Amino acid sequence: QQPVQSPQAVILREGEDAVINCSSSKALYSVHWYRQKHGEAPIFLMILLKGGEQKGHDKISASFNEKKQQSSLYLTASQLSYSGTYFCGTGALRAAGNKLTFGGGTRVLVKP
Amino acid sequence: EAGVAQSPRYKIIEKRQSVAFWCNPISGHATLYWYQQILGQGPKLLIQFQNNGVVDDSQLPKDRFSAERLKGVDSTLKIQPAKLEDSAVYLCASRTTGTGVSGNTIYFGEGSWLTVV
Repeated sequence: QQPVQSPQAVILREGEDAVINCSSSKALYSVHWYRQKHGEAPIFLMILLKGGEQKGHDKISASFNEKKQQSSLYLTASQLSYSGTYFCGTGALRAAGNKLTFGGGTRVLVKP
Repeated sequence: EAGVAQSPRYKIIEKRQSVAFWCNPISGHATLYWYQQILGQGPKLLIQFQNNGVVDDSQLPKDRFSAERLKGVDSTLKIQPAKLEDSAVYLCASRTTGTGVSGNTIYFGEGSWLTVV
């Protein structure tokens, strides 16, 4: 089942902060965050694994609440380059071959 | 390190015609995925290979879609016959084996854009 992302869209001024949420109805092993610009491939931002392992990217960070089956992506002091659509991909179980199920995306527009 | 390579980048075909997409994953990556991304939506998994074996093809419309990875490296995704609703970006992705961040990170190619008219 597809994870739910919120908000669907957000408009920021350069330097402002934003939070994107991703929630799943299934127990999660991993949460993956990607950013995609129009016409380009999704670019890997970070992964959060059950048990706490995490990898960050610039001023973008994330949290993973295993009990609530939720993850949040934090865009801090946003830059123009942060514009794009952000997708979370959730992995239910390691035994399932780490198949990722993606949310519908959150469109982010950072204005000068 | 070279990324995931895909071709062609763009293809326009008429409905009921056939089309094939090619993918070369990152060297050494055992797992290969094909995703379909319809405009405005998140990617949807079509098929997952581990080496040359299929791990998951539950969402592949097998009456018209087929995929193979004969030698455990390159892969081909075919659509025959194509329908209007197949218009989408077809993304190939790959992952190495192992645990932790490195073993779980999935890398995407730039995609093959298909328009069916």
